[in-house]
Amino acid sequence: GAVVSQHPSRVICKSGTSVKIECRSLDFQATTMFWYRQFPKKSLMLMATSNEGSKATYEQGVEKDKFLINHASLTLSTLTVTSAHPEDSSFYICSASGQSLMNTEAFFGQGTRLTVV
Amino acid sequence: GQQLNQSPQSMFIQEGEDVSMNCTSSSIFNTWLWYKQDPGEGPVLLIALYKAGELTSNGRLTAQFGITRKDSFLNISASIPSDVGIYFCAGRPGGTSYGKLTFGQGTILTVHP
Repeated sequence: GAVVSQHPSRVICKSGTSVKIECRSLDFQATTMFWYRQFPKKSLMLMATSNEGSKATYEQGVEKDKFLINHASLTLSTLTVTSAHPEDSSFYICSASGQSLMNTEAFFGQGTRLTVV
Repeated sequence: GQQLNQSPQSMFIQEGEDVSMNCTSSSIFNTWLWYKQDPGEGPVLLIALYKAGELTSNGRLTAQFGITRKDSFLNISASIPSDVGIYFCAGRPGGTSYGKLTFGQGTILTVHP
């Protein structure tokens, strides 16, 4: 399958600071990237859909100004958690789909464990 | 919104046993996917199903796309310790953008040696 790389895998930050998470498609052009949040032993909750060159579409209840998403190129999308608070601590996962892939299946990054202290 | 009901929520089995889990939906899906997630990792695609009635295998894994388009099951035969993890079904309803998926709640599988 296609390779999606997410960085960093773990990050600890102080409350009030911002954290940027990168999601890269390594061997295909990702026209669409998705950002999820996952709580322990729970399912994936879609936060937003990101299309290259356009504004992200956020799911209901997700704060746009809190979770800034940028999809500036066909291989990179970033999620910035602004003014992080302890309740933002979670596992964040990206996935990517590309029109060049058969059936445009979503391939996932390795995830980022964010801990806000 | 779309909802997928996945069951069972958890399973505790002995090595060598077969496993079955399923997902049902209140509405039609045109694609069914099964993922496995190891602790601290992202989900990995196991099997993708695109046609009602389709039965697909991947090694010891077999999955089927229900005829009604509202359900799918995943079977694992002769389980081994490395099968441990969380299994998610995911569906893509007709008319939505490519890639946007609805996930089931997950099945936590524990395999005792």
